[in-house]
Amino acid sequence: GAVVSQHPSWVICKSGTSVKIECRSLDFQATTMFWYRQFPKQSLMLMATSNEGSKATYEQGVEKDKFLINHASLTLSTLTVTSAHPEDSSFYICSAMSASNQPQHFGDGTRLSIL
Amino acid sequence: AQTVTQSQPEMSVQEAETVTLSCTYDTSESDYYLFWYKQPPSRQMILVIRQEAYKQQNATENRFSVNFQKAAKSFSLKISDSQLGDAAMYFCAYRENTGNQFYFGTGTSLTVIP
Repeated sequence: GAVVSQHPSWVICKSGTSVKIECRSLDFQATTMFWYRQFPKQSLMLMATSNEGSKATYEQGVEKDKFLINHASLTLSTLTVTSAHPEDSSFYICSAMSASNQPQHFGDGTRLSIL
Repeated sequence: AQTVTQSQPEMSVQEAETVTLSCTYDTSESDYYLFWYKQPPSRQMILVIRQEAYKQQNATENRFSVNFQKAAKSFSLKISDSQLGDAAMYFCAYRENTGNQFYFGTGTSLTVIP
């Protein structure tokens, strides 16, 4: 149980394009989803927290207009990197939580490479 | 702000031996959760074990167990009978009882030597 699917697993695109990453909870309803960014050999950096049906809460230093988050249903959240540039290249991981007293379950991550 | 510290960037263990990964945290809360996550080369984060702060008994999950010292704010992970598949980055994480945000340590890279 507690499976989180993240898609795509790897994407390469040209600078200036927008990229959408999907995060789905397959066997539970996720009241809260999280988006993290991870640089090589470093820990996870929380970018934003999203609750179903409401606006995402962004961490300090994360551009809202750059990283658009939508959490329209209890099983799906999307992260759109708008007008991506090479410095946006990173590993992005989502996680989902069914309730506040439950652990986060992570997706497999998306490796984003901007040329 | 809560901080989670993992003082061992790298550790190694001989296959079938036991290894302990350390984690300390800083909080003024009395009720919270602690977790150990494993991230193998595939990069997927896998929950290894969790501990509720109000429970005095140390959590155990097969070969994985924790030594939770609340007063010392210490939460170490012991891996017994280490296997090659245990090789990964291990992250300690803290979460308040009333909040959603996780605070992660910087990770410990574990190598298992055949």
